[in-house]
Amino acid sequence: QVQLQQSGAELMKPGASVKISCKTSDYTFSSYWIEWVKQRPGHGLEWIGEILPGSGITNYNVKFKGKATFTADTSSNTAYMQLSSLTSEDSAVYYCAKGNYSHWGQGTLVTVSA
Amino acid sequence: DIVLTQSPASLAVSLGQRATISCRASQSVSTSSYSYMQWYQQKPGQPPKLLIKYASNLESGVPARFSGSGSGTDFTLNIHPVEEVDTATYYCQHSWEIPPTFGGGTKLEIK
Repeated sequence: QVQLQQSGAELMKPGASVKISCKTSDYTFSSYWIEWVKQRPGHGLEWIGEILPGSGITNYNVKFKGKATFTADTSSNTAYMQLSSLTSEDSAVYYCAKGNYSHWGQGTLVTVSA
Repeated sequence: DIVLTQSPASLAVSLGQRATISCRASQSVSTSSYSYMQWYQQKPGQPPKLLIKYASNLESGVPARFSGSGSGTDFTLNIHPVEEVDTATYYCQHSWEIPPTFGGGTKLEIK
């Protein structure tokens, strides 16, 4: 069945960058958007953006431009999101989801702390 | 960005009764054919789970106790009869334009 498996929790220093992976299986990876969503307690769910792996086309929420960068490796059916210049505001759970939101990864907790 | 306002923020419903959650959009998210509104259920420590797409279409595998309705700017999620397992936070989300945005969530408790 369709699965999205995300990389593990990260503890990062302020100013650093982190790259989260989302390995997919059992569907045509190149044909569906991968969505990225941020969740912080008290801030609800925020759409960061999306990538269409087959073409590399990306769409970003203006709020996250310059913060998030999406890539995809069709040979391994894996999508990546890099977050740069981390601050405490980036501490959150990050999810990837298949484009129609029918399937989600389990989430990756990123904690930014000195 | 389209703002989605959910109400109530929390509610407690007796087992077997009806739970009704509302979502109001700051502008229409409907055409004459489709309403671009989804509903999700999220339990602690889990990702959101898609329940309803296009305002009223039940996602595969979701119990028929869940139903969605509405168009334009006003949408509703109903759960009837509620079960203990329905304890969760529920979110609406539009997909009318980029960025898709989510409502603030409604926390449902079963009495």
